[in-house]
Amino acid sequence: DSGVTQTPKHLITATGQRVTLRCSPRSGDLSVYWYQQSLDQGLQFLIQYYNGEERAKGNILERFSAQQFPDLHSELNLSSLELGDSALYFCASNPSGLDSYGYTFGSGTRLTVV
Amino acid sequence: AQKVTQAQTEISVVEKEDVTLDCVYETRDTTYYLFWYKQPPSGELVFLIRRNSFDEQNEISGRYSWNFQKSTSSFNFTITASQVVDSAVYFCALIGDTGFQKLVFGTGTRLLVSP
Repeated sequence: DSGVTQTPKHLITATGQRVTLRCSPRSGDLSVYWYQQSLDQGLQFLIQYYNGEERAKGNILERFSAQQFPDLHSELNLSSLELGDSALYFCASNPSGLDSYGYTFGSGTRLTVV
Repeated sequence: AQKVTQAQTEISVVEKEDVTLDCVYETRDTTYYLFWYKQPPSGELVFLIRRNSFDEQNEISGRYSWNFQKSTSSFNFTITASQVVDSAVYFCALIGDTGFQKLVFGTGTRLLVSP
């Protein structure tokens, strides 16, 4: 157990719908990262939050948004879902936001859009 | 831009064979960090090792060893006496020390170890 908790583990939804993925970082970690793993794009960085504030954006679609709450858990919201959004979504955390230390990943949420 | 290349898409070996997974990287940064992660069939990403660009010493951890060579921009991973439980996808990743870079992953190598 990495200490990073992601829920739900699996999610099946229809095109056009909206879903929320939840992540609780390791105890004490201030920084949260979201990555998408798809067959064609591999592991892609989406967005980072540090202590409640957005710190960096990667290849995140406008239909996607995220936030980090005062208790440091984070949510990734995906809306107007398309078939191509089907992927494994990972959350990772890091104590300080110093990216060079690396990240601890959760088990992922597997999203299937039908 | 940072780039990680794992040219081996899939490798199949028989238990007890040694296997080397290749990783070649590109970066303009003088200081950078290299990582290996394991993704078993259950799907989670498990951290294996972190290495900074100033430490070219090879590292051994049990049956795992890593060979870092700056001259060839490679950070290869060897599993000695492979076991069925080693079957997984292995990712090499890189992050540089300038700007607000995030971890960049290679495409992964799927290792299948059969009994």
